[in-house]
Amino acid sequence: AQKVTQAQTEISVVEKEDVTLDCVYETRDTTYYLFWYKQPPSGELVFLIRRNSFDEQNEISGRYSWNFQKSTSSFNFTITASQVVDSAVYFCALSEAKRETSGSRLTFGEGTQLTVNP
Amino acid sequence: DAGVIQSPRHEVTEMGQEVTLRCKPISGHDYLFWYRQTMMRGLELLIYFNNNVPIDDSGMPEDRFSAKMPNASFSTLKIQPSEPRDSAVYFCASSLLGNQPQHFGDGTRLSIL
Repeated sequence: AQKVTQAQTEISVVEKEDVTLDCVYETRDTTYYLFWYKQPPSGELVFLIRRNSFDEQNEISGRYSWNFQKSTSSFNFTITASQVVDSAVYFCALSEAKRETSGSRLTFGEGTQLTVNP
Repeated sequence: DAGVIQSPRHEVTEMGQEVTLRCKPISGHDYLFWYRQTMMRGLELLIYFNNNVPIDDSGMPEDRFSAKMPNASFSTLKIQPSEPRDSAVYFCASSLLGNQPQHFGDGTRLSIL
């Protein structure tokens, strides 16, 4: 069975601080996909990134960066120079699928509530 | 392009009433997913469809819940009869292919009194 753990329930930082959100996953499959979603106070779920299990290259998108390490089954998310607008719940998710075209369940972690204070 | 559209945004009804939630996926997306979000259980998948066919409904809580997708542009999630423990935010999502990113609607906040 697959499982996603986000051990940090809540994180509070001051604006301009860097913050890392941890995500640890469990799966028996060699082929899988990892995702991060953002849920701002307005409630919608916003897709941030997808990674497949064969691509361990770290990714940077503006102030966001992701560190994928298969050796530790982790897919951590760092926000550099945080801003108040980054305040949200962030979810890490995992899907197991043999092929790009096959459907699969998304298993979500419990989420991390990030509060960025001015 | 329009995103996933859900209706209603909010629903308040009394226990025992039938509730119907609606979803219009992004045009061209072959997969449609229904999720429920609660404080106790977090985000959980209820059911998903591929090309209008239900593929995995193992997350549907019980027989009171049913979902249909009569065509590629419309899906419903029905609860009959509703109970207070069904109160939650229900999300619909769609994706182009199975493991492509899922795009979520704004959700329906359901309160059963």
